[in-house]
Amino acid sequence: GENVGLHLPTLSVQEGDNSIINCAYSNSASDYFIWYKQESGKGPQFIIDIRSNMDKRQGQRVTVLLNKTVKHLSLQIAATQPGDSAVYFCAENSGATNKLIFGTGTLLAVQP
Amino acid sequence: NAGVTQTPKFQVLKTGQSMTLQCAQDMNHEYMSWYRQDPGMGLRLIHYSVGAGITDQGEVPNGYNVSRSTTEDFPLRLLSAAPSQTSVYFCASSYSIGGYGYTFGSGTRLTVV
Repeated sequence: GENVGLHLPTLSVQEGDNSIINCAYSNSASDYFIWYKQESGKGPQFIIDIRSNMDKRQGQRVTVLLNKTVKHLSLQIAATQPGDSAVYFCAENSGATNKLIFGTGTLLAVQP
Repeated sequence: NAGVTQTPKFQVLKTGQSMTLQCAQDMNHEYMSWYRQDPGMGLRLIHYSVGAGITDQGEVPNGYNVSRSTTEDFPLRLLSAAPSQTSVYFCASSYSIGGYGYTFGSGTRLTVV
């Protein structure tokens, strides 16, 4: 079936470095993608989204890149801070069903 | 605005017991959904609703019932709890079915023994 997966379950970075979290998706019909951040004991929190007619979108310290050719999505966090430590999920709107499908998540651990 | 409110935050049930997880939102969102989150599995869609009086099944609906009598409320019912339903449950709402503007509640951690 259609699924969204992450290449790395855990990513450890030094404070101040840039972080890159990757995600692969398999449904070429998906037209909307979202990155969520989930801190321990809390619900997922929206970070940034991108539609399929774009290949890059920037927010505050975060950038999402979409490569439709290889069905790849990435989240870049600039100058990673300890407060960025969390699990990050990508999610895709599955096109025909209009449902949001989540990946399994990547744990970002920021070392001081 | 309180956003999406889930109650209770924690619950322990015995196998075979029933209970209702409550979800309420005050943003006048039409679209509401329930997810369960298990270690290594991400979030999986249980049931969703596109408006009052309309519900439909997600990926993992078995063992769960929902109803949507008002725009604000979307309770999730477990009729006969099983250990396999031990999980963290999240309710979400949005102004659009496509996932745009999703807001999640803080979750209910359910343990079935």
